[in-house]
Amino acid sequence: GAVVSQHPSWVICKSGTSVKIECRSLDFQATTMFWYRQFPKQSLMLMATSNEGSKATYEQGVEKDKFLINHASLTLSTLTVTSAHPEDSSFYICSARKASGSDEQFFGPGTRLTVL
Amino acid sequence: SQQGEEDPQALSIQEGENATMNCSYKTSINNLQWYRQNSGRGLVHLILIRSNEREKHSGRLRVTLDTSKKSSSLLITASRAADTASYFCATDEGGSYIPTFGRGTSLIVHP
Repeated sequence: GAVVSQHPSWVICKSGTSVKIECRSLDFQATTMFWYRQFPKQSLMLMATSNEGSKATYEQGVEKDKFLINHASLTLSTLTVTSAHPEDSSFYICSARKASGSDEQFFGPGTRLTVL
Repeated sequence: SQQGEEDPQALSIQEGENATMNCSYKTSINNLQWYRQNSGRGLVHLILIRSNEREKHSGRLRVTLDTSKKSSSLLITASRAADTASYFCATDEGGSYIPTFGRGTSLIVHP
């Protein structure tokens, strides 16, 4: 199988704090990971593409200084929401593509962020 | 930007009935994927169909792809209450290999 985990599953924080979300590929190496955001009853919106060892590519309208992405190894990417505000409350989902080049992406279970 | 657009937005059926969801897209694709998402959970990959394929089956799932009409359908046969979930199609825009999701179809199967 190909399992992707996310930590934490959910987090509640105060406005102004920073929150780090981890995405790990547990049994495969992932050269590319993707970060999505999903608002209630909405679709997944791609935020950024994270490549191991290089800078992330952000989608239009996503602030790279607010959503810091680090892909330091072939099994771990982190998303840090800096100075979080209530409007950042959302469901954040990562996915990973195998280094072998398969088209298929494997999704993590998501992280529910609530900013008070 | 969203590429795939599913319809209907919501579908309510009785257990045992078939459920059909459609997805339309705008640009050329390499493949189209269907995913399932239970409320508040991550996505589960159901089927990937490539642009040179017309139909694929997986258990009670049947996916078709018509590249001339830029559309795909997902058929769930003999539905079960456990099939209740949101279903999304995802396409790779212009060969980018990065899936772009539609808004999804919310399926409710009543026992």
